[in-house]
Parts: sequence; structure tokens; C-alpha cells
Amino acid sequence: SQTIHQWPATLVQPVGSPLSLECTVEGTSNPNLYWYRQAAGRGLQLLFYSVGIGQISSEVPQNLSASRPQDRQFILSSKKLLLSDSGFYLCAWSVRSNQPQHFGDGTRLSIL
Amino acid sequence: AQTVTQSQPEMSVQEAETVTLSCTYDTSESDYYLFWYKQPPSRQMILVIRQEAYKQQNATENRFSVNFQKAAKSFSLKISDSQLGDAAMYFCAYRSPGGGSARQLTFGSGTQLTVLP
Repeated sequence: SQTIHQWPATLVQPVGSPLSLECTVEGTSNPNLYWYRQAAGRGLQLLFYSVGIGQISSEVPQNLSASRPQDRQFILSSKKLLLSDSGFYLCAWSVRSNQPQHFGDGTRLSIL
Repeated sequence: AQTVTQSQPEMSVQEAETVTLSCTYDTSESDYYLFWYKQPPSRQMILVIRQEAYKQQNATENRFSVNFQKAAKSFSLKISDSQLGDAAMYFCAYRSPGGGSARQLTFGSGTQLTVLP
């Protein structure tokens, strides 16, 4: 069966520090991968999605970037975090068909 | 662009009773997919139920069912025999068919469901 792993679960970082959140999927090949952010009390906003290695699409301009160095690995990064980057970040995957997205457990990021 | 609206920020239901969560959406497409996701306090996003727009029959998953009204662009979720474990934030989501950016989900703002013992 397919599983998705996302870490760390919580992270506290100072303003201006770098960020790296990692997401991996097991049990499937060539999945579509997604990064979402959820602000407190609000819905999910799609940040990035990827349909293959090295292929990244950005949905909103921001201080973050994403990379997909391997088929089942999706990384969310920042060189310098801003206070506004605080939130709950969710990674998700779906197969290359009209199937729903499956989410990881999320990372709660707090910027001090 | 598609939009998804959940007009009920909060709902409550007595344990064992039935509750309906509302969702409306705006689209010019004729074929699409609709989903309900549940986010409990653990913050995981869990798929509850899905509906293909080309199917007239309403989807059902155990105690969860939908009332899909395509002409009205309405997609409500009914939870029967509510249980304490159903307490969560519920998100309605829309997805276009096809490739490219159409693969993304558009989420509503969510409905916080409280189940009262």
C-alpha cells in the first residue's frame, strides 16, 4: 500500500533562517506531488505541484521554493524565512489519473 | 477559475443525530470531481467521499453520503448517526479533469463540526 511521510511534525525557526521540509511517498511510482499551506482557521492554499522529477509548478509568488530531486521526494525550501511563512504545511500525492489526493500528517511551522 | 464556498463556518450535532454540511461551487466545466475531506484535531487530511460530476447517483460511504445537485452546483455532505470521532473541520474540494494545473484541488474555507455527547 502507498504511504506518505512528512517531517518534521513541528518546527520553530527564527526570522531569516533557512527552511527545508521533506516529503516522501512509498508504494507508488511517478506520483503527482503537492505542497499546501493552511493558515490558522482557514482552508488550504496550493503552493507547488509536480508531475515528475525536476518539474515544479508554482501557484503563488512567495518566499518559498520546491524541488523534486527524486521520483518520490518533494522538498519545500526557503533561504530566509519571514514571519508570514508561519502556518501548517501539508504534502500530498495522487496517481496520474482522476484519483483523490492523499495527505501527509503535516508540519506546523512557527516563525519567531 | 473555480471557486468553492462553504457558508457554514461552524456546525454542531448531537451524537447519533444527522447533520448536513453545505458546499456550493462555481465552474464553467461540465466534467469535474468533488470531494469532502475531514481534518481532525491531529491535522491530518482524510478523504471522506468523492463524487464524479458525470455520475447522477449520489456517492455513499457508510454513514457519509452526499446530495449532489449539478444544476444548482451544490454538493452537501450528510453524516448519519454522528459519532464523537466525527468532530473535525470538513473541507469541500473541487478538481477539474485533465492535466496541468487542472490537477490541483480548490478547497472551501471549511466547516468546523462539533459533536455533542
